[in-house]
Parts: sequence; C-alpha cells; structure tokens
Amino acid sequence: GENVEQHPSTLSVQEGDSAVIKCTYSDSASNYFPWYKQELGKRPQLIIDIRSNVGEKKDQRIAVTLNKTAKHFSLHITETQPEDSAVYFCAASFPDSSYKLIFGSGTRLLVRP
Amino acid sequence: EAGVTQFPSHSVIEKGQTVTLRCDPISGHDNLYWYRRVMGKEIKFLLHFVKESKQDESGMPNNRFLAERTGGTYSTLKVQPAELEDSGVYFCASSHAGSSGYTFGSGTRLTVV
Repeated sequence: GENVEQHPSTLSVQEGDSAVIKCTYSDSASNYFPWYKQELGKRPQLIIDIRSNVGEKKDQRIAVTLNKTAKHFSLHITETQPEDSAVYFCAASFPDSSYKLIFGSGTRLLVRP
Repeated sequence: EAGVTQFPSHSVIEKGQTVTLRCDPISGHDNLYWYRRVMGKEIKFLLHFVKESKQDESGMPNNRFLAERTGGTYSTLKVQPAELEDSGVYFCASSHAGSSGYTFGSGTRLTVV
C-alpha cells in the first residue's frame, strides 16, 4: 500500500550546522510533498512543500529537493537555530480527489546551542 | 481568520467509556480531515469529509469510531467503546475545495486507561 519512510528518527546538530531529513515514498504517482514542523504541544505547521514537476524549492534557510526517479525527497535546514528544534514530518499526497496525506514517522531535531 | 479549533485539548477516559472529539474547521473550508498519531509513530489518516459527505473513510480503524459532519460545518469523532490502543493525539485539518494546503488544529490528546 501507500507508504512513506522517514530517516533519521532523531537528529542532533550544533547550532549553525546544517540538518538533512530524508524521505522515500512508494507510489510513483504521488505528486505533492509537504513538510510539517510540530513544536512541543503545538499543531503541525506547513513549512515548505514541493510538487512533482519541480526538483528543488528554497525558502530562506529551508530547502526541499525531490528525486522522482528514486522516489526520494529531502528537507535541508541550513544555519540551524535552537528554535528549529521540533519534530518534522514529511508527507506525500496521492493524485486522487481527497488530497489525503501519507506521513512519515517523524524526525525529532534537536539543535544544541 | 480563526484557525482550526479542536476540543477538548485533553481527555482521559476509562476503557469501555465513550468519548466525543470535536473539530471546528476554518469557515468556508469544504475539506475536513481527521488524523491520528499513536505512541510517537506517524500521523495516520482516518477520514476525509467534503462538506457533509464522507469522501474517504479508508483509515478508520474499526466500527468503534464514528465521524459526522452535520450541515458541513463542525465535525465530531466518537469512540465507543474506547480501548487502550485508541490512546493518541487526534488531529483535525481543513482546506479549501481543490486545495492541497491543510491547516491543522492543535489536536486532542486522548488517554484511555
């Protein structure tokens, strides 16, 4: 069935370093890939997304890359700051009318000051 | 614009009892989704409403779960009778018709003891 794998499950980096979170998806028909950030006790918030007709998208310190052939997509955070500490979820949406999202299992990112 | 509102924020009930969760989507959003995150795992799709109609309920775990969206406004998710494995955080999200961009609520943390 539809599946999204996310790695690593936890990631600890020094402030100022880069962080990379990787996801793979199972259905080659997937066409929309959002990333959500969930801070402790708060709602998941969309931080960046990419569609299957684009290979890379950047928004300030955050970028997402998509490799459709390999069915991989990755989140890159540069110059990490303590406030980047949170759980990050990748997701894939399948091309039906529901826009149902299949989520990865989450990555807990800790940025050490 | 008010966000997606969920209540209660927390609920602790005994096994065998009934609990009803409520979600108020953003006004004008036809799409309403329920998701659940159990024990630090991935956020899993439960079901999707378009207005008052169930578009996709393929993620509902079993017939102890009943979701309604009377009049196409707010939605309720009832668990009856609750089991220990139902514990988790239940998220609601909404979006405009034809949009892949969700807004999530803050979730209801359900603990069944």
